[in-house]
Amino acid sequence: AQKITQTQPGMFVQEKEAVTLDCTYDTSDPSYGLFWYKQPSSGEMIFLIYQGSYDQQNATEGRYSLNFQKARKSANLVISASQLGDSAMYFCAMRGRAANSGYALNFGKGTSLLVTP
Amino acid sequence: DAGVTQSPTHLIKTRGQQVTLRCSPISGHKSVSWYQQVLGQGPQFIFQYYEKEERGRGNFPDRFSARQFPNYSSELNVNALLLGDSALYLCASSFIPPSTQGKSEAFFGQGTRLTVV
Repeated sequence: AQKITQTQPGMFVQEKEAVTLDCTYDTSDPSYGLFWYKQPSSGEMIFLIYQGSYDQQNATEGRYSLNFQKARKSANLVISASQLGDSAMYFCAMRGRAANSGYALNFGKGTSLLVTP
Repeated sequence: DAGVTQSPTHLIKTRGQQVTLRCSPISGHKSVSWYQQVLGQGPQFIFQYYEKEERGRGNFPDRFSARQFPNYSSELNVNALLLGDSALYLCASSFIPPSTQGKSEAFFGQGTRLTVV
C-alpha cells in the first residue's frame, strides 16, 4: 500500500524567512511521482512542484524547492522568503500504480502554514 | 484560458437524495479525476477517467458513480446521500494519459462544497 505522512499539523514562520514542510512516503514501486499542493481557504488545490522518482536533480519552481531524498523516502518542501500570502494548507501527494486505483494521487493529511509579519 | 471548472460551487441536499456534480476540464485535457475532501483531511481518490473509459476507482461504495462525455467533461453522481458525504468534491484534469511519471493531474478545479442535512 502507498502512504504519505505529514507529521506537522501546523507550522509558523516569520515573513521573509525560509520554512521546510516535511513529507515522507512509502511505496514498493520504483516508478512514482511526488507533488506538493497549496490549498488556501477558498478550497482550490494549487499545484506547486513535482518530482519524478527517476529525476536526478531536486525540483525547483521559483521560491519552492523540493528536497528529494530517495533512500530515506522523503520529499520535503522548502519555501524561501515566505510571504503573508503563503499562509494556507499544504499537501504532499504521491502518484503511483495501485490496484483498481489507476494512477491516482494519494494525499497526506496536510500541514497548516501561518506566515506572521 | 479557462481552468478546470466545476458546478455548482455549493450545494445543500437532504439525506437520501441524489446529487450530480459537474466538471469541465481544461481544453485539450482528456483525463479527469474526482476526489472527496472531508473537513480536516487530505483529498481521497474516487474515480479516474481517460478517453471516456474508467481507469481507476477508489474505495467508495457503489452509491458513487461517474462518467465522462465525448467532450471530456465529467459528472459525478452520488445516490442515497448520507451525512458523511458532506465534503468538498474536487475535479482534476490532465493532458497526458494516466501514468506514474509526468505532471499529470496538476490542475484542480475550485471544488463543489456539498452539505448533506
